[in-house]
Amino acid sequence: GQNIDQPTEMTATEGAIVQINCTYQTSGFNGLFWYQQHAGEAPTFLSYNVLDGLEEKGRFSSFLSRSKGYSYLLLKELQMKDSASYLCAPLGGNYQLIWGAGTKLIIKP
Amino acid sequence: GAVVSQHPSWVICKSGTSVKIECRSLDFQATTMFWYRQFPKQSLMLMATSNEGSKATYEQGVEKDKFLINHASLTLSTLTVTSAHPEDSSFYICSAYGLAESYEQYFGPGTRLTVT
Repeated sequence: GQNIDQPTEMTATEGAIVQINCTYQTSGFNGLFWYQQHAGEAPTFLSYNVLDGLEEKGRFSSFLSRSKGYSYLLLKELQMKDSASYLCAPLGGNYQLIWGAGTKLIIKP
Repeated sequence: GAVVSQHPSWVICKSGTSVKIECRSLDFQATTMFWYRQFPKQSLMLMATSNEGSKATYEQGVEKDKFLINHASLTLSTLTVTSAHPEDSSFYICSAYGLAESYEQYFGPGTRLTVT
């Protein structure tokens, strides 16, 4: 079957660093997306990893290990506006995104 | 680039009526669009995949006669919720592949439907 596992909720402090982990099991794999979704809004694209390793993009970095079925999103220098849900979405063998429930990140001053 | 719009952004309708939601790709041609539904604090649920000029492919459990999808042009897909009931109240979001050979989905801003 297909499964995505992310923590339901995380709390971090403004200015700090947080790592959101994601493990997945899919039928076929064509890369993994991370999206950010603020409450009441549609998701916005953060990153796409298709090869193993770390992709850095400003304050956000995403890591992928295909052999372990594991990815993480690293957020640095946290800002209050980073409070949102973060969705790990593998692209399955049929090239459809598989969505988990996401991780709600709460940033405290 | 790759901007997707939705209209309306929110709508309230009475039980038993039908509601049409439009999804437009503003600066690109979208051969494939997706329709999602999201209930509060739940994950995105794919309802159907809409391909221009052909019938939509519905996910298991989604009633195709209730959720009518039309993708008549490369820039417009519509979702019509027929005979709406309060349990259809949800956040409906469309998305599209923005670039050729890319599987990144660009999302519209969503439509919040409330059925009274």
